[in-house]
Amino acid sequence: QQQVKQSPQSLIVQKGGISIINCAYENTAFDYFPWYQQFPGKGPALLIAIRPDVSEKKEGRFTISFNKSAKQFSLHIMDSQPGDSATYFCAASPRRNKLIFGTGTLLAVQP
Amino acid sequence: GAGVSQSPSNKVTEKGKDVELRCDPISGHTALYWYRQSLGQGLEFLIYFQGNSAPDKSGLPSDRFSAERTGGSVSTLTIQRTQQEDSAVYLCASSFPTSYNEQFFGPGTRLTVL
Repeated sequence: QQQVKQSPQSLIVQKGGISIINCAYENTAFDYFPWYQQFPGKGPALLIAIRPDVSEKKEGRFTISFNKSAKQFSLHIMDSQPGDSATYFCAASPRRNKLIFGTGTLLAVQP
Repeated sequence: GAGVSQSPSNKVTEKGKDVELRCDPISGHTALYWYRQSLGQGLEFLIYFQGNSAPDKSGLPSDRFSAERTGGSVSTLTIQRTQQEDSAVYLCASSFPTSYNEQFFGPGTRLTVL
């Protein structure tokens, strides 16, 4: 019940295309859903986050879609660029003191 | 200002030895977290500090793992009698108490147990 399931494990997208990563959770107590981006040798960095009271949040080329009834949320990267190539982690918070992470998606954007 | 810093960046140790990993959070961040990232895996929560107290230690995998925080700032994660399965990247994060879970991560310490 504490798990966050993330798919796909890896993703290859052409430059200019749309990258879509999906996550699902079970615990209805989760109330904060961030996405982190991690480059090799670096710590994860917060990309965008959403609360369950909204269904969508957009920041630049990055959009989170949230479906509370289905307990699913997804990250969309529009106009994907080679510089977006990284590992993306979804996460969820059961309360304000820890994050439960998905297993990550390795994104490769081909030029 | 400076981000979260961790030291050492790499640590190679022999099975059975004790290791200490250090985290310096962002100034003013009263919340501090430790996570473990194993090869090809997501991040696994270990422990959370608010100030010098650790209200959630639920992620520590065994009693060989302990952590402390002094002065509401620096934190040390200690692993006693290291095992090969402890090999991973140990990440520290910090946040303001008023920022809802906006955790800022350090670069991590890569621990290799031979």
